[in-house]
Amino acid sequence: QLHESGPGLVKPSETLSLTCSVSGGSIGDTSYYWGWVRQPPGKGLQWIGSVYYTGKTFYDPSLKSRLTISIDTSENEFSLKLTSVTAAETAVYYCARVWGTYRIFDYWGQGTQVSVSP
Amino acid sequence: SYVLTQAPSVSVAPGTTATITCGGDNIGSKSVHWLQQKPGQAPMLVIYSDSDRPSRVPERISGSNSGNTATLTISRVEAGDEADYYCQVWDSSSDSVIFGGGTKLTVL
Repeated sequence: QLHESGPGLVKPSETLSLTCSVSGGSIGDTSYYWGWVRQPPGKGLQWIGSVYYTGKTFYDPSLKSRLTISIDTSENEFSLKLTSVTAAETAVYYCARVWGTYRIFDYWGQGTQVSVSP
Repeated sequence: SYVLTQAPSVSVAPGTTATITCGGDNIGSKSVHWLQQKPGQAPMLVIYSDSDRPSRVPERISGSNSGNTATLTISRVEAGDEADYYCQVWDSSSDSVIFGGGTKLTVL
């Protein structure tokens, strides 16, 4: 199971921080990456980035300068930090387990709503 | 960057077959996955690696991929299949995950 947590409201220009807690398996399993996806209201899925247990990261190029995804194998969780957010980044943020070379998103958290507003 | 194109909507009658397509440049050379998302729920994987099905997904949902088009086919459509469907690939040239824009399946 995956469970997202973090503030539901962030002010514009501030930093959005979320954590995904993983249960029922080890985040250090070498078969998987761990990813973040967001979905603005009424819109489609947008990939944010992924992390491997070694700490190697893969980021959406448009977010790379503002984005940090990290992993804590001792706590079995991974995190997202996105700086200088705008209202356009209001969305449901999902964490997911990502399987294999071809990046199959096989299990998802239930998602957490994050609003960017003064 | 690599682009996946999906029709915004598809409508079919119950009991018929729904065909949802995903277009991309030489997509047949990539491994395509399909996600189903019902209103208010997280996405769920229904097809991976072009045509493989997770065990919980019924056999009437199938996938194929060739040339510039990947296809998700739902046979004997039921009201419960009404959802948004997204195709997804890994673009190794840019080390990026790419999602299609999604197709809303309406069961008439």
